[in-house]
Amino acid sequence: NAGVTQTPKFRVLKTGQSMTLLCAQDMNHEYMYWYRQDPGMGLRLIHYSVGEGTTAKGEVPDGYNVSRLKKQNFLLGLESAAPSQTSVYFCASSYRTITYEQYFGPGTRLTVT
Amino acid sequence: AQSVAQPEDQVNVAEGNPLTVKCTYSVSGNPYLFWYVQYPNRGLQFLLKYITGDNLVKGSYGFEAEFNKSQTSFHLKKPSALVSDSALYFCAVRDGQWTDKLIFGTGTRLQVFP
Repeated sequence: NAGVTQTPKFRVLKTGQSMTLLCAQDMNHEYMYWYRQDPGMGLRLIHYSVGEGTTAKGEVPDGYNVSRLKKQNFLLGLESAAPSQTSVYFCASSYRTITYEQYFGPGTRLTVT
Repeated sequence: AQSVAQPEDQVNVAEGNPLTVKCTYSVSGNPYLFWYVQYPNRGLQFLLKYITGDNLVKGSYGFEAEFNKSQTSFHLKKPSALVSDSALYFCAVRDGQWTDKLIFGTGTRLQVFP
């Protein structure tokens, strides 16, 4: 039981490049989330999904897109990376509603130069 | 707007002493409150939650938290700190009454000295 996994672990992009971060969970969770963590700012929600085929915006969605084509996967895309998107990105999943705890992946450290 | 505050960036405590990490919140409706811990280069791990019921909530690794509605606080506590408790601690609150989103605090770094 791997829990929540994220690919890749590290990435360096040049401004304007694109990339996709992959999150996978094997716990049959309905809900999945993408956060970014920046020093002194805690975690901020980018996008989330309450089920396969559904997505919704979080607190800081601009510059990101997501897709949830399969229940176990949640993809985060950056179409044109900017230095302001340098951050650590965490994916999380939870069984169902907000009353259930979230399980976090190990994170992806992204640097945009 | 909903919000959560962790007023201390860092808390230092000697091993064996009790520890408290503070959290206050501002929400409409009933608060759903959570504590998470982050060890270096790791994702967050769930410690405990308050949804309803007893004001004193017990969680993982000997931690507990007390929900205080009048003071709008949800402080994390442990009777006897361990060096291995040293980590970054986040308080989180549900973002509104009918939502599945959490708002996280900025985090408090706990340093336990031998």
